[in-house]
Amino acid sequence: SYVLTQPPSVSVAPGQTARITCGGNNIGSKSVHWYQQKPGQAPVLVVYDDSDRPSGIPERFSGSNSGNTATLTISRVEAGDEADYYCQVWDSSSDHPIFGTGTKVTVL
Amino acid sequence: QVQLVESGGGLVKPGGSLRLSCAASGFTFSDYYMSWIRQAPGKGLEWVSYISSSGSTIYYADSVKGRFTISRDNAKNSLYLQMNSLRAEDTAVYYCASLIAVAGRNWFDPWGQGTLVTVSS
Repeated sequence: SYVLTQPPSVSVAPGQTARITCGGNNIGSKSVHWYQQKPGQAPVLVVYDDSDRPSGIPERFSGSNSGNTATLTISRVEAGDEADYYCQVWDSSSDHPIFGTGTKVTVL
Repeated sequence: QVQLVESGGGLVKPGGSLRLSCAASGFTFSDYYMSWIRQAPGKGLEWVSYISSSGSTIYYADSVKGRFTISRDNAKNSLYLQMNSLRAEDTAVYYCASLIAVAGRNWFDPWGQGTLVTVSS
């Protein structure tokens, strides 16, 4: 089955840029969605369709997808961005969603 | 505003059963696919099941197939998950979420706050 691989952790200083990768075989041919999950809270959609933002999500959150890697970029990182981030695609062969392994973002 | 509220979680013995509910408000529930997703303590997200807007199409993860049953009542704006033959590995927070189905580019938004299911003797 299709596997999405994320780095377990990413550390970034406030005001800097965090990049979270999501690797999968030819993931560039799929649409990638990203969720933010703060401690003790439910996941929240922050990017859908590779690079679109739901209403209410700051422009600091952006996404890209090409080849075998999708990337969620958080610009001008704030303390409130500290959370776990998950990528997700839809596996059309099984008609199931696939979640990435998750990345913990720590703001130094 | 759009809201999903889960209920029905709790402590159950291995082999036991539990029924989760998810009450939806703030949107036209009958227009949307719905899903259950779970998260074991300290672990990542695992999709469990989804159901089409009419209830005619249903899928399950292999880990729960034959033991869990998803259903919905559009008149009551409610989603359900009947869980039978529960195992320790089913221990998790269970989230309901609206599944935005767009030509195979499907994603989940929004999510409920979750309900904890603990399977232990």
